[in-house]
Amino acid sequence: KQEVTQIPAALSVPEGENLVLNCSFTDSAIYNLQWFRQDPGKGLTSLLLIQSSQREQTSGRLNASLDKSSGRSTLYIAASQPGDSATYLCAPHGNQFYFGTGTSLTVIP
Amino acid sequence: DTAVSQTPKYLVTQMGNDKSIKCEQNLGHDTMYWYKQDSKKFLKIMFSYNNKELIINETVPNRFSPKSPDKAHLNLHINSLELGDSAVYFCASSPRPGLAGGTDTQYFGPGTRLTVL
Repeated sequence: KQEVTQIPAALSVPEGENLVLNCSFTDSAIYNLQWFRQDPGKGLTSLLLIQSSQREQTSGRLNASLDKSSGRSTLYIAASQPGDSATYLCAPHGNQFYFGTGTSLTVIP
Repeated sequence: DTAVSQTPKYLVTQMGNDKSIKCEQNLGHDTMYWYKQDSKKFLKIMFSYNNKELIINETVPNRFSPKSPDKAHLNLHINSLELGDSAVYFCASSPRPGLAGGTDTQYFGPGTRLTVL
């Protein structure tokens, strides 16, 4: 069974900093990996989807990388803003999605 | 237009009651899911339906019964509610089932916060 770990569990940075969120998973037999954002009391918003054949995917200030063989993915956020404050979840997708417990990000103005 | 909608958004009820949560998607997707997010923010899949047929049924109590009247709807009925059922329940949809693999993104509803007193 897939186990997903996200480090750090919580992160607080001043506005403007670049930051990296880490995700590791135990079963590398995945089709793709998705990064989500969850705002307090809200649903999940999909940020990026990386196919298993891809190494990285970019959307605006976000860049996600995937190293399937080592079971790792990172989400890089450039020039962080207070509006980026949320919980970020990674979900490797094998026969179903498994979610990590997330990284709670606070960007301080 | 809301892609995946859930009702109600909040549900507060007494132990032992029976309640339902409704989910609808207007994306034309074939596959729908129910997830439970506990107090530690851990999201876990409960059920998945593809074209009204059950394809994933994780180990959940049989007090939980999903019902899919058509492929745009997947409702969750819970009998004899217990304190431990308190959580946020998310509905999601994707064009094809996870078993098909490939490129599909899951789209999530806003969640239903269930509190059992």
